[in-house]
Amino acid sequence: QVQLVESGGGVVQPGRSLRLSCVASGFIFNSYAMHWVRQAPGKGLEWVAATPYDGSNKYYADSVKGRFTISRDDSKNTLYLQMNSLRADDTALYYCARDRGARPASFDYWGQGTLVTVSS
Amino acid sequence: DIVMTQSPDSLAVSLGERATINCKSSQSVLYSSNNKNYLAWYQQKPGQPPKLLISWASTRESGVTDRFSGSGSGTDFTLTISSLQAEDVAVYYCQQYYSTPLSFGQGTKLEIK
Repeated sequence: QVQLVESGGGVVQPGRSLRLSCVASGFIFNSYAMHWVRQAPGKGLEWVAATPYDGSNKYYADSVKGRFTISRDDSKNTLYLQMNSLRADDTALYYCARDRGARPASFDYWGQGTLVTVSS
Repeated sequence: DIVMTQSPDSLAVSLGERATINCKSSQSVLYSSNNKNYLAWYQQKPGQPPKLLISWASTRESGVTDRFSGSGSGTDFTLTISSLQAEDVAVYYCQQYYSTPLSFGQGTKLEIK
């Protein structure tokens, strides 16, 4: 069965960096686009970034462009999110999500999320 | 960027009654070349990740009960729950995938009256 397991969250000071990981299993990882979606405490869903099946292009929300980098290592079935220059409003539960296809679309499987707290 | 707006923000419906949630996009999400609406609906229960219910505005995902249905085209969409059950209490989100940045509606909280 499809599984997505995120890790790497924690408490970090403003301006510092953090790298999130998402290990995928149960499907052919390099056939699917992958996404990061976040949810601030008590708030709605915000799409953060996507990479298509081949990693050829990267797509970002305006709120993270220039600070966050999405990448994938198909040899390890792992998706990453490098987060730099973190701000208090980046505090959220970060979900890894599989796309239904090879290009950014809708999300058919989600992990349980990893919590990032940006605070001094 | 496409802005998604849901209405209402919250909704209380009696068990067995119909629940209707609306979603409006700031521009059309209908792709003319294939006549498909690039619109999805999700259900999120407390403490859980979202669950994909409907893609292409009206196509139910495998395993989703037929009490859930999606309709609409262009900029106006509706999620209908035909006969509300207790397990349907959740927050519901629409999402457009017509263009990046992908975007969600703000969510509609559905409760039992």
